[in-house]
Amino acid sequence: ETGVTQTPRHLVMGMTNKKSLKCEQHLGHNAMYWYKQSAKKPLELMFVYNFKEQTENNSVPSRFSPECPNSSHLFLHLHTLQPEDSALYLCASSQDKESTIYFGEGSWLTVV
Amino acid sequence: QKEVEQDPGPLSVPEGAIVSLNCTYSNSAFQYFMWYRQYSRKGPELLMYTYSSGNKEDGRFTAQVDKSSKYISLFIRDSQPSDSATYLCAMSAFINSGYALNFGKGTSLLVTP
Repeated sequence: ETGVTQTPRHLVMGMTNKKSLKCEQHLGHNAMYWYKQSAKKPLELMFVYNFKEQTENNSVPSRFSPECPNSSHLFLHLHTLQPEDSALYLCASSQDKESTIYFGEGSWLTVV
Repeated sequence: QKEVEQDPGPLSVPEGAIVSLNCTYSNSAFQYFMWYRQYSRKGPELLMYTYSSGNKEDGRFTAQVDKSSKYISLFIRDSQPSDSATYLCAMSAFINSGYALNFGKGTSLLVTP
């Protein structure tokens, strides 16, 4: 069982829908991340939160909106997505933005 | 030039073979080097973690870092069908107030019985 849990594991949404991805980490870490993984591309860092404060936003379109209410929980709110946003969205955590990060199982998103 | 280069494969080997997976990089500031294993439709799992140059061994897995050549390797001895997965290299450097982690595209490995 992973220390980082993501829900839902699979999500299909229309381009006009609003949905959210949820991540919870049970490792006592202070930093949390959202990554996007598309076929044949390297993992793309989207957002970084350290001690609940957003420290990086990697030029992500505003249709993706992160929320970090505390060090253990991270959300990714999705609104008016495009079909090219279909991908695996991975949440991860680490201790104080150290180099070693631990991933959740991911949320498979399909935008139709 | 991409910061981290990794051959996507696929790489197919018979069971029991020694597997060699490699990445090259361009940023000499990278200090931490990691290998992640990702099974189909799962999240990446940290496999090996090394700091600076040298070798690190863990069971059937050996990670090797050659900073002078900007080249890292993962060796898998006595490969098993359960090793079939995508292997991602990752490396990081301390910048400003934290670490920037850079991933390769991943190499798909198939170990056939």
